[in-house]
Amino acid sequence: NAGVTQTPKFRVLKTGQSMTLLCAQDMNHEYMYWYRQDPGMGLRLIHYSVGEGTTAKGEVPDGYNVSRLKKQNFLLGLESAAPSQTSVYFCASSYGDVLGGYGYTFGSGTRLTVV
Amino acid sequence: GEDVEQSLFLSVREGDSSVINCTYTDSSSTYLYWYKQEPGAGLQLLTYIFSNMDMKQDQRLTVLLNKKDKHLSLRIADTQTGDSAIYFCAETLNYGGSQGNLIFGKGTKLSVKP
Repeated sequence: NAGVTQTPKFRVLKTGQSMTLLCAQDMNHEYMYWYRQDPGMGLRLIHYSVGEGTTAKGEVPDGYNVSRLKKQNFLLGLESAAPSQTSVYFCASSYGDVLGGYGYTFGSGTRLTVV
Repeated sequence: GEDVEQSLFLSVREGDSSVINCTYTDSSSTYLYWYKQEPGAGLQLLTYIFSNMDMKQDQRLTVLLNKKDKHLSLRIADTQTGDSAIYFCAETLNYGGSQGNLIFGKGTKLSVKP
């Protein structure tokens, strides 16, 4: 009954360091998403995937890369972290069925600070 | 382009009704959603409405949909302090490569005063 699990929950990086955020879902969802949430900006879509082995750019993809090698996992990478990437990152997943009304299931978030 | 608009803040007294409003742009959206985000947590699906409905009621929650004006509202009856959270409206994209994706508003922060 885990749903969407994000690791780590908190991280502090120095400028220029790299890291990978992991998202795992156990609901057999086809679609997965990475968002960032900043005060006053709402949720902004970084990248998303409509199935294993596929990825697509969202609204704010610069400075991030993603991979979906397994259906249940969606990884978000920061190659060279910048202070502007300080944010709360949310992963979400869905069936991707516009007729289903299931919406998204969100993880609990990763709070990243880049100093 | 697609956009979902919400007011950013709403303050009510405990026991009053809260009404959170949202306007959306895609008239072909099949489902519209309300999500709730409590402090320090992720978003949780609160309720949703299918586009051929005008109203949906679920305990203290009432969702009203005006398709002509592309207006969605969420009414919370007998608002409690535990309802203090950010509420996000979202619409479904039904075209192109992004079919199935949701577009979220910026969220309305509801503060409930005792």
